[in-house]
Amino acid sequence: NAGVMQNPRHLVRRRGQEARLRCSPMKGHSHVYWYRQLPEEGLKFMVYLQKENIIDESGMPKERFSAEFPKEGPSILRIQQVVRGDSAAYFCASSPPVGGKGQETQYFGPGTRLLVL
Amino acid sequence: GEDVEQSLFLSVREGDSSVINCTYTDSSSTYLYWYKQEPGAGLQLLTYIFSNMDMKQDQRLTVLLNKKDKHLSLRIADTQTGDSAIYFCAETRDTGRRALTFGSGTRLQVQP
Repeated sequence: NAGVMQNPRHLVRRRGQEARLRCSPMKGHSHVYWYRQLPEEGLKFMVYLQKENIIDESGMPKERFSAEFPKEGPSILRIQQVVRGDSAAYFCASSPPVGGKGQETQYFGPGTRLLVL
Repeated sequence: GEDVEQSLFLSVREGDSSVINCTYTDSSSTYLYWYKQEPGAGLQLLTYIFSNMDMKQDQRLTVLLNKKDKHLSLRIADTQTGDSAIYFCAETRDTGRRALTFGSGTRLQVQP
């Protein structure tokens, strides 16, 4: 049973370009979370999604950032017109459906390390 | 607001016990977690505890929860060099909002 998968593992972008980060949850998991980790800091929640729904986006910057989790395919975190301050590690986590066994646990992917030049 | 705090650094000798501490402010925290992060890697869930428990043991790991003082600790028995990593404390509430709130992490260094 594969764990949470993220790609790419490393991404380099120039200021003003777009970054697309992908996350495939664990098999059987229907909830996806995105977190950002700045250097030497803990993880900060960004957004929580179920299939085709954004449940909580209270941690998302108001501009340039968007997330989706379509019916088919991975969840995508999209950052438009990247700036140097967007350089960070972006982690995706997944959890089972509400009411399912282990619903209180989140399992993390290896992260995508974004570097903006 | 929600806040989770940890000390930044802990150094122990191989074979000793390590105790990593965490305090939180949200009295409605329901689940409290310990994650381990090795350099350049993702977060590995080590263990977690429900707020109506005060202790949980899993092999070399012991979690203690003092709900009155909002204090959580992780004890690693017989610490090995492979335990060197950053340890994150996190909490969540059993409501519709399932986001984890993390501390800034404690870097554990194990000296041979």
